[in-house]
Amino acid sequence: SQQGEEDPQALSIQEGENATMNCSYKTSINNLQWYRQNSGRGLVHLILIRSNEREKHSGRLRVTLDTSKKSSSLLITASRAADTASYFCATDADTGNQFYFGTGTSLTVIP
Amino acid sequence: EAQVTQNPRYLITVTGKKLTVTCSQNMNHEYMSWYRQDPGLGLRQIYYSMNVEVTDKGDVPEGYKVSRKEKRNFPLILESPSPNQTSLYFCASSVTGPGANVLTFGAGSRLTVL
Repeated sequence: SQQGEEDPQALSIQEGENATMNCSYKTSINNLQWYRQNSGRGLVHLILIRSNEREKHSGRLRVTLDTSKKSSSLLITASRAADTASYFCATDADTGNQFYFGTGTSLTVIP
Repeated sequence: EAQVTQNPRYLITVTGKKLTVTCSQNMNHEYMSWYRQDPGLGLRQIYYSMNVEVTDKGDVPEGYKVSRKEKRNFPLILESPSPNQTSLYFCASSVTGPGANVLTFGAGSRLTVL
């Protein structure tokens, strides 16, 4: 049972534009995280937001969390070609010991 | 350097030939886990371990075994691989499991079963 689903599945933008991707999940959570994956490589952690937080910033990243809608969004501002990657949300159910990953959004930033 | 090391990175094998993918971490993490990544399906958890000698099934454990005899190592064993186990596999670890803990991933092991 996969917790998260990202939307859109694929996104293509011009360098300098903002990129927004969304994540929906199914059950109550304690934390939600976003990870980045360059093609075929291991995932790298970007940012974590707790269930009692609504918004968090880290450099060009802005994450929002709406627990009433069971959804989160990741905004990358002023995108660069180097941001081209797949982005995954990961949640932990408020019970159990598993991380649940979404299906990912593939972002292409065109120079 | 803090890292998770997986081996082999690439492997082609045949149906039924037992294989082991090793995973080692040098961060003294208690929690270790295995995922498989398939196109359109994201990452799905195979097994996880909360600590030495403590393992549990994830969402797709069929056809896999694990062991956790030492804190740093968490090998994934395919006793009789089948073509539907062709996938990209990732090992990951965190300090103490879900919660406000971040997963550190290995570089991945691409397995092809003919």
